[in-house]
Amino acid sequence: AQSVTQPDIHITVSEGASLELRCNYSYGATPYLFWYVQSPGQGLQLLLKYFSGDTLVQGIKGFEAEFKRSQSSFNLRKPSVHWSDAAEYFCAVGVRGNKLVFGAGTILRVKS
Amino acid sequence: DVKVTQSSRYLVKRTGEKVFLECVQDMDHENMFWYRQDPGLGLRLIYFSYDVKMKEKGDIPEGYSVSREKKERFSLILESASTNQTSMYLCASSLSDRGYEQYFGPGTRLTVT
Repeated sequence: AQSVTQPDIHITVSEGASLELRCNYSYGATPYLFWYVQSPGQGLQLLLKYFSGDTLVQGIKGFEAEFKRSQSSFNLRKPSVHWSDAAEYFCAVGVRGNKLVFGAGTILRVKS
Repeated sequence: DVKVTQSSRYLVKRTGEKVFLECVQDMDHENMFWYRQDPGLGLRLIYFSYDVKMKEKGDIPEGYSVSREKKERFSLILESASTNQTSMYLCASSLSDRGYEQYFGPGTRLTVT
């Protein structure tokens, strides 16, 4: 069965430092992969998506993610974190019928 | 901008009550979804609708039902609320040809006592 694993429940980084959030997926076919962000008190917002082609995808707010088929990973990165990036981040895989299977989420804390 | 609104941000109900959670989207999206969000479990799909009066069970439909009488509105119904249904409920919508690009409402935090 398809699943998504986000190994880190919490991550704390200093403002201005680089960020990498890990995501591993299990899916039989070529995956459609997504990162969503949930700011405090708000719904989820799509950060970026991978369907096919270039394995490095760019998203909004300066985020990027790299698809690595050999590692079944889709890690999210940002070169310099801002205090406003503090949020919960969800990795997801698209499955049959327009549905998403989400990971458990990673809570990002930014310290000044 | 797509807007998805949910009728309540916070709701407190008693065990056994019938509970209605309402969701409205204003961008003519065909697909609508109800998720439940719990710490450490991420989002889990309860029900999905791809057209008016059409619905499909998600991963955790037990104890829930849905109604979609109009394209813009998707209701989640807890027939007899129980304490284990205390959770955050998120509604989302998407276009039929971009189904994975979902737009979410702010959520309803339901407490069942």
